[in-house]
Amino acid sequence: GAGVSQTPSNKVTEKGKYVELRCDPISGHTALYWYRQSLGQGPEFLIYFQGTGAADDSGLPNDRFFAVRPEGSVSTLKIQRTERGDSAVYLCASSPQTGFGEQYFGPGTRLTVT
Amino acid sequence: SQELEQSPQSLIVQEGKNLTINCTSSKTLYGLYWYKQKYGEGLIFLMMLQKGGEEKSHEKITAKLDEKKQQSSLHITASQPSHAGIYLCGADISGNSGGSNYKLTFGKGTLLTVNP
Repeated sequence: GAGVSQTPSNKVTEKGKYVELRCDPISGHTALYWYRQSLGQGPEFLIYFQGTGAADDSGLPNDRFFAVRPEGSVSTLKIQRTERGDSAVYLCASSPQTGFGEQYFGPGTRLTVT
Repeated sequence: SQELEQSPQSLIVQEGKNLTINCTSSKTLYGLYWYKQKYGEGLIFLMMLQKGGEEKSHEKITAKLDEKKQQSSLHITASQPSHAGIYLCGADISGNSGGSNYKLTFGKGTLLTVNP
């Protein structure tokens, strides 16, 4: 079956602009996660959804970052007033149930803020 | 300091050689995951270890979890060029002892190069 997909694969934007990153989880997976990976680092947890609600958003770096999952499937990570420090690969993952078992990762969206 | 330390940071081996990658936690481990990442791609799940002393194998890769030492090791036997990539360990060390493993903290990764 289809894995986790993310669009776009690459996004270049100017400092101060607004961006949206999309994640399509594996069908039927109730849990969805967003991570951010900077060069030479491991992924860093941002937010976790169980169904439609954000169960844990403690990893979001500040209030410029926001994520939604209105129908419990597709999720969008939104970044306002982008800064150069936001440049990273944004990874999405999903898993069949809450918090147990492996997380299946998408290929990521490489965001570059110029 | 890094909560999950991986060693070595990088490793170059000749095809056919064995190798070990270590992951050490500064906090209690409630389960540990090993992933592999190719440059520019997402993470590929390798193994999940949940109990102290647990050991799992898949093809030529074996992973062990030593809960007392808060450490895991990943061993590759008779390495092949297809094993090349970045190996990442991840664990939920947030203090939730209920068994949930959603908030993964990752190490920085070990870059493995296998020369033919």
